[in-house]
Amino acid sequence: DGGITQSPKYLFRKEGQNVTLSCEQNLNHDAMYWYRQDPGQGLRLIYYSQIVNDFQKGDIAEGYSVSREKKESFPLTVTSAQKNPTAFYLCASSSKAGDSNQPQHFGDGTRLSIL
Amino acid sequence: DAKTTQPTSMDCAEGRAANLPCNHSTISGNEYVYWYRQIHSQGPQYIIHGLKNNETNEMASLIITEDRKSSTLILPHATLRDTAVYYCIVRVISLSTQGGSEKLVFGKGTKLTVNP
Repeated sequence: DGGITQSPKYLFRKEGQNVTLSCEQNLNHDAMYWYRQDPGQGLRLIYYSQIVNDFQKGDIAEGYSVSREKKESFPLTVTSAQKNPTAFYLCASSSKAGDSNQPQHFGDGTRLSIL
Repeated sequence: DAKTTQPTSMDCAEGRAANLPCNHSTISGNEYVYWYRQIHSQGPQYIIHGLKNNETNEMASLIITEDRKSSTLILPHATLRDTAVYYCIVRVISLSTQGGSEKLVFGKGTKLTVNP
């Protein structure tokens, strides 16, 4: 089935560690996004990528990094500089960047917790 | 900085229509209205979107007022599995030198509970 796969579903991090969250899509979508969701809150945009080898900061990029070496993959690294990393992380994709008539589709998320 | 206003919670009887309202009085002429829902611990699920005209798909109907300042999502025959948080979103467009992209500005949504 076509879709967006995020892994792992649950992730635990020790203080001072970097961790990488995986996001893969087989929808042949150009644009990919990373959002963060905190309990009882809406989603906030971390980074987005319109095409391969390009990405832009969103509203809360500090303490995060991304890469887009392949069209189907957009991994997110949560670095030790992110002081409050515990959250639910959601990856999304859409067929064409800048086309507001194309919906973003989401994966099932990764829940990151600090040990 | 959500551009929409929704009731915090609603209840609906199983089998009845669920009508979820949304106000977006500051919407611009080229901004679409999107609806997503989120079941606990899952990613948001796309439901429907529209610009001016009413829209219908296999999941729901979207009614947009003529002045586009509000809309209503209609689930025609609600089931227990429709219990979720429903988000009404106005698509925000930003342009860069390499083209356009957009983010979804989620508010807190409406918690819909479908009761047996």
